[in-house]
Amino acid sequence: KNEVEQSPQNLTAQEGEFITINCSYSVGISALHWLQQHPGGGIVSLFMLSSGKKKHGRLIATINIQEKHSSLHITASHPRDSAVYICAVSPPITGTASKLTFGTGTRLQVTL
Amino acid sequence: NAGVTQTPKFQVLKTGQSMTLQCAQDMNHEYMSWYRQDPGMGLRLIHYSVGAGITDQGEVPNGYNVSRSTTEDFPLRLLSAAPSQTSVYFCASSPLSKGKIHEQYFGPGTRLTVT
Repeated sequence: KNEVEQSPQNLTAQEGEFITINCSYSVGISALHWLQQHPGGGIVSLFMLSSGKKKHGRLIATINIQEKHSSLHITASHPRDSAVYICAVSPPITGTASKLTFGTGTRLQVTL
Repeated sequence: NAGVTQTPKFQVLKTGQSMTLQCAQDMNHEYMSWYRQDPGMGLRLIHYSVGAGITDQGEVPNGYNVSRSTTEDFPLRLLSAAPSQTSVYFCASSPLSKGKIHEQYFGPGTRLTVT
């Protein structure tokens, strides 16, 4: 079993829909990261959070440390949101906290 | 700032050939790392470095060497390429400070095919 699991693996939505991508992890962490990868493109960091909720534009990330679960929400989705969304976790702060463990990603396609 | 740069963008090698993937960052980050990305799998850590002169193995280090002679550069060497090393390679960097987590900055990737 992977230490970081994402669901769904693939997601198709119509423009304007509210989207939720889930991430569960089975190890102790110091932070959870949400990353975005456009087709053929590089990887950019969207959020890094260790508790609660963060919002940036139409994107919202939440984390529940007790349940070892995080969600990424996209409100009013748009075709430009089409990308692979990757969840990654940083180990506890006593280790090399920059060594991330990654989920396999959720491929999102938003159609008109 | 250019951020994290990688060269080349694409490369085709024959089995047994060697090559070096270049990675550089201009943000004065202590931590640098190399990942490979394969279909259906998450990014996997190959090697990482916490500063000039210091490197360590990640999850999948076999067949790869690294060195860190400067803060800016972290090249990845394939010693004798094998078809199993066909992948997309990403370099990443971040600051490193005790007790604090930082976001990571990724390069654009190098798509390597070994025939």
